[in-house]
Amino acid sequence: GAGVSQTPSNKVTEKGKYVELRCDPISGHTALYWYRQSLGQGPEFLIYFQGTGAADDSGLPNDRFFAVRPEGSVSTLKIQRTERGDSAVYLCASSVSGPTYEQYFGPGTRLTVT
Amino acid sequence: AQKVTQAQTEISVVEKEDVTLDCVYETRDTTYYLFWYKQPPSGELVFLIRRNSFDEQNEISGRYSWNFQKSTSSFNFTITASQVVDSAVYFCALSEARTSYDKVIFGPGTSLSVIP
Repeated sequence: GAGVSQTPSNKVTEKGKYVELRCDPISGHTALYWYRQSLGQGPEFLIYFQGTGAADDSGLPNDRFFAVRPEGSVSTLKIQRTERGDSAVYLCASSVSGPTYEQYFGPGTRLTVT
Repeated sequence: AQKVTQAQTEISVVEKEDVTLDCVYETRDTTYYLFWYKQPPSGELVFLIRRNSFDEQNEISGRYSWNFQKSTSSFNFTITASQVVDSAVYFCALSEARTSYDKVIFGPGTSLSVIP
């Protein structure tokens, strides 16, 4: 079956612009996660959705970052007024139930803020 | 304080050698989960194993084995008879009961190169 997909695969934007990153989880997976991975680092937790609601958004670095999952499937990570420090690979993962289960990761979106 | 430490940044071994990747974690919870993930050069993280804090049995899966020791807060990963396809970055991760397991904390990773 289809795995987790993320679009776009690469995004280059200018400082100050708004960007949206999309994640399409595995069908039937109720849990969805966003992580940010900088070069040479492990994934850094951003937010976890259970269904449509954000169960834990404590990893979002500031109020420029926001994520939604309106129908409990596709999720969008939104970044306002992008800064060069936001440049990273943004990873999405889904799991069948919750974080104690195996997470299936997408290929990531590489965001470059110039 | 870093909750998951992987002190080995990079390791290089010759094919067929055994290699152990170290993971030390820190938690105040008595209930938690530990994970290992593999990130090959293609980039997508792949789940390898999950272990809960009440199960200290070591596990073997083919050439892979894991040694969980609560007394030393370690969850080490050994690859026996390494192969070139094992070359990847390996991450150890932790989720804790006090955050309802919601937040999975990854270590910095160990980059393994297996040389033919």
